[in-house]
Amino acid sequence: EAQVTQNPRYLITVTGKKLTVTCSQNMNHEYMSWYRQDPGLGLRQIYYSMNVEVTDKGDVPEGYKVSRKEKRNFPLILESPSPNQTSLYFCASSPSGWGEQYFGPGTRLTVT
Amino acid sequence: QKEVEQNSGPLSVPEGAIASLNCTYSDRGSQSFFWYRQYSGKSPELIMFIYSNGDKEDGRFTAQLNKASQYVSLLIRDSQPSDSATYLCAVNIRYSTLTFGKGTMLLVSP
Repeated sequence: EAQVTQNPRYLITVTGKKLTVTCSQNMNHEYMSWYRQDPGLGLRQIYYSMNVEVTDKGDVPEGYKVSRKEKRNFPLILESPSPNQTSLYFCASSPSGWGEQYFGPGTRLTVT
Repeated sequence: QKEVEQNSGPLSVPEGAIASLNCTYSDRGSQSFFWYRQYSGKSPELIMFIYSNGDKEDGRFTAQLNKASQYVSLLIRDSQPSDSATYLCAVNIRYSTLTFGKGTMLLVSP
């Protein structure tokens, strides 16, 4: 089944404790992206990647890091999480930068 | 100026009616346009995409694009209670960047 997977689905952590949210796709897509979704603010792009080793900032990159060492994986790293990063996070992939994006199931992160 | 705008709703329609959802965008250079459906707490699910002016139909859904007026719409015919969700309009304003509207909540009453 073609899909985007994310882990963990739910995470409660404390301020400053480094964490990684994994994202993997099995559709051989070139493009991958991370979004966060907050009430009243909608979906906002954090980082995206056009291909292996090529990443770029989205609209809200502060406090996040990403890497793309393999085509299928695009982890999101929060090196020192803060409460304002409490949010619902989605990973997405697409065949191209102009194409439709397919979303993972989401990760609900709470930072206390 | 907001890049992608949608009425937040809720838009309430009775079962069996046509629901009409609208979206405007600011950048005339936008190339591709998408409609997603999102149930509460779930991930966005792609419903339709459209690249050219005119209408595109898929089952009960019709997407309409008017680049001159910079709007995209989604029509849902024979609306069902299961269509009750938030509908997100998304636009490729720049290559590799999909910009989302904040969504319109649709409520279909039995």
